[in-house]
Amino acid sequence: QVQLQESGPGLVKPSQTLSLTCTFSGGYITSGPYYWSWIRQPAGKGLEWIGRLYTSGGSNYNPSLESRVTISLDTSKNQFSLKLRSVTAADTAVYYCARAYCAGDCYFGADYWYFDLWGRGTLVTVSS
Amino acid sequence: EIVLTQSPGTLSLSPGDRATLSCRASQSISSSSLAWYQQRPGQAPRLLFFRASRRATAIPDRFSGSGSGTDFTLTISRLEPEDFAVYYCQQFGTFGQGTKVEIK
Repeated sequence: QVQLQESGPGLVKPSQTLSLTCTFSGGYITSGPYYWSWIRQPAGKGLEWIGRLYTSGGSNYNPSLESRVTISLDTSKNQFSLKLRSVTAADTAVYYCARAYCAGDCYFGADYWYFDLWGRGTLVTVSS
Repeated sequence: EIVLTQSPGTLSLSPGDRATLSCRASQSISSSSLAWYQQRPGQAPRLLFFRASRRATAIPDRFSGSGSGTDFTLTISRLEPEDFAVYYCQQFGTFGQGTKVEIK
């Protein structure tokens, strides 16, 4: 059974870097037309897409976060990671990793993509 | 940038009622690019529909999705207790703000 699992510190100090890892099990992270993504949700609020990475190369980020975000892939460990720099209290949220099925040209611009597999989420609090 | 606006914000209904949720795009979009998700309290979102009307695996047929252009609808024909949740539409990297379906 395929699944995703987030891991990382639950508490990060302001101005530091939030680092999370997502482990994909039950398959190979290099298989299929998928984007590997991060999404977050502050308490009581909606979903915010952070960014995505395509296993054949190429990443895209939410413009509102782009200057602070990096998503990377470790195919040897079947993992992908999120780094969010210079965090503030506004970055406190549940962070989800998710797989997005991509249709069309996934590298240059997909026709569409949707999140078909989600991790359970991990709460990250930014506080001193 | 396309904005997705969901309405109503909250829907108060009883088990057995019909629920109709709306997702409106700020400009016309391909129906292929519209997906719906359900999020129960304390859980991760779950894919309900992709390509606006294609039901995801294991989604009961009391759920249906429809729409085109700027207007899309998620309908639950008869609400079951487990259907009381928040529902989101999504297109590429944009989510609607969600509609909460609560017990009246």
